[in-house]
Amino acid sequence: TQLLEQSPQFLSIQEGENLTVYCNSSSVFSSLQWYRQEPGEGPVLLVTVVTGGEVKKLKRLTFQFGDARKDSSLHITAAQPGDTGLYLCAGVGAGGTSYGKLTFGQGTILTVHP
Amino acid sequence: NAGVTQTPKFRILKIGQSMTLQCTQDMNHNYMYWYRQDPGMGLKLIYYSVGAGITDKGEVPNGYNVSRSTTEDFPLRLELAAPSQTSVYFCASSAQPGHTVRGNTIYFGEGSWLTVV
Repeated sequence: TQLLEQSPQFLSIQEGENLTVYCNSSSVFSSLQWYRQEPGEGPVLLVTVVTGGEVKKLKRLTFQFGDARKDSSLHITAAQPGDTGLYLCAGVGAGGTSYGKLTFGQGTILTVHP
Repeated sequence: NAGVTQTPKFRILKIGQSMTLQCTQDMNHNYMYWYRQDPGMGLKLIYYSVGAGITDKGEVPNGYNVSRSTTEDFPLRLELAAPSQTSVYFCASSAQPGHTVRGNTIYFGEGSWLTVV
C-alpha cells in the first residue's frame, strides 16, 4: 500500500504571509496531483505534475515535484482569505497493484485571516 | 453540463439498514470511482469502474457493492450499515485512468454525507 504523508495538517496564517505544504512518500508516483476542496463540495483539481523536478506556477501558487517523484510541495505567496480551504495531494501509482490508482494525503486545512 | 451528480446529499441510517448512493455523469466518461473521506484521513478508494459492466475493488471495499450497467451511472450500495461507514462519500469520473497523461482531470461530485447511528 502506498502512503502519502501530508503536512502540516492545519495552517492558520494572516493575509499576506507565505506558506508551504508538503507531501512525502517512500513510494514513486507516475504523477502527483494537487486538489482544493471547499466545505460541502468535492475536490477540484489544481494541477498535475508529471516529471521529476518539475515546477508549475498557478498565479500565486507554486507546485514542485521532487526529483525522485516521491514528494511534492505547494507554496502560496502572499496568501489571501480566498485561499482558505482544504488542500489535498494525490499520487498516481506507478506500477504493480498500485498502477493508475490515486493515493490521497490526509489534507491540509488552511485558514487565512484578513 | 451537470458533470457528476450524487444523491442524496445527506442521509441518516440505522445500524443494519441498507441504502444506495446514486451517481451519474453526463460527460461520457468511461472511468468512474467511489471514494470515502474521513476527517484527517484524505480520500480512500472504495470501488472503481473502467467501463460499463466492469468494476473492481479499491482500497476499502468491504461492506459495499457497486454495479455499472450503463456508462452514465455508478451506484454504490451499502448492505447492513455499520457506524464505521459514517463518512462523506464522493463519486468521481474521468475520461482516462488517474495515472495517465498530463492534464487528465478527475471530476468529483459534491459529496454525500452519511451518518450511521
